[in-house]
Amino acid sequence: DIQMTQSPSTLSASVGDRVTITCRASQSISTWLAWYQQKPGKAPKLLIYKASTLESGVPLRFSGSGSGTEFTLTISSLQPDDFATYYCHQYSTYSQTFGQGTKVEI
Amino acid sequence: EAQLVEAGGGLVQPGGSLRLSCAASGFTFSDHWMSWVRQAPGKELEWVANIRPGGSESFYVDSLKGRFTISRDNAKNSLYLQMTSLRAEDTAVYYCARIGAAAGYYMDVWGKGTTVSVSS
Repeated sequence: DIQMTQSPSTLSASVGDRVTITCRASQSISTWLAWYQQKPGKAPKLLIYKASTLESGVPLRFSGSGSGTEFTLTISSLQPDDFATYYCHQYSTYSQTFGQGTKVEI
Repeated sequence: EAQLVEAGGGLVQPGGSLRLSCAASGFTFSDHWMSWVRQAPGKELEWVANIRPGGSESFYVDSLKGRFTISRDNAKNSLYLQMTSLRAEDTAVYYCARIGAAAGYYMDVWGKGTTVSVSS
């Protein structure tokens, strides 16, 4: 299976900060990567797919980049609603895997 | 608006079975691959299984092959997960998710989840 490693595991930030989360794959996954946001007790919400395509309705402050084995999710100006846990998800093969999550906290 | 609603979770003894269901609405269910994803308490998301739009083929995480079966009834706009020989480590929130229309298996619509607890 392809292993996905996110860093950092926890990130402390303030409103207005630029935030970057990294996801590394154990082997190349081209751009078959998605990012999700999850708040406590809620279902995940799709933010980005195909590494950099913003899902409809997601604010433009979210962006994704990368290919191969290294990917980033960037929030250009952190808003109060953005404090949550973020997961990367590789779907390059039928056997998909998620990262362990990055919690963005105040 | 696309919506998914899971049902069927509950408390079950180790070794028992449970069937989860997911009712879809607001989109053409038969056009989409569908998935089950689970999340153990305090843990990350874990993909469980996918199924093709017509139901002819399904895929599973290796660790669950043989114990879980994904199926669908397009006439009823419903997705199912039959779980057998349940273990304590199967305790989790189980989410039904729609796979997006663009290429690849990203999940663009999620249900709120149903909780499965395996304990004696």
